[in-house]
Amino acid sequence: KAGVTQTPRYLIKTRGQQVTLSCSPISGHRSVSWYQQTPGQGLQFLFEYFSETQRNKGNFPGRFSGRQFSNSRSEMNVSTLELGDSALYLCASSLQGNDGYTFGSGTRLTVV
Amino acid sequence: GENVEQHPSTLSVQEGDSAVIKCTYSDSASNYFPWYKQELGKGPQLIIDIRSNVGEKKDQRIAVTLNKTAKHFSLHITETQPEDSAVYFCAASYTGGFKTIFGAGTRLFVKA
Repeated sequence: KAGVTQTPRYLIKTRGQQVTLSCSPISGHRSVSWYQQTPGQGLQFLFEYFSETQRNKGNFPGRFSGRQFSNSRSEMNVSTLELGDSALYLCASSLQGNDGYTFGSGTRLTVV
Repeated sequence: GENVEQHPSTLSVQEGDSAVIKCTYSDSASNYFPWYKQELGKGPQLIIDIRSNVGEKKDQRIAVTLNKTAKHFSLHITETQPEDSAVYFCAASYTGGFKTIFGAGTRLFVKA
């Protein structure tokens, strides 16, 4: 079966711009979680969605937002980009959100 | 707050030797402990998990142990092979939390 698909794989943006990242979960998985991965901070939780509802949110500023559609696909948006937002953004899907994740390959965002 | 500490940060072993990675969690409500392997350019992949009602679980060359009293859990890889070289993450979550907290990762090198 198809894995978790994240698009785009790579992005270069300028400070102050905004960006939207997309994630298509495994068919049948209703939970989608987003993580930011950096060498210094490791894997940091952004938010989790289930049936279009955000059930939990990490300690990130309001510039980071997300949503989930009725087909379980999810998007995350970062507005007013800062240099420190440069990271690998990973999407993970699971059946219920309390079980093991299947991760996508990530979107590598570079802010210049 | 919630925290998962992971040691060592780097581990180098000879092919055929065993490797052990240890983690400690802070949230006593945690009841699910997955382990992920991340190879270069890929998202983390679930390799084994354990729930709090089980003390040990084994899958071929890998095993996990859990000590709930001490809030410790460990990954054991026996008969290591060069393809085991990767970054390994321990993680913890609890039912209803809809969030998984990751350790900082262990970079494992298996020398042929």
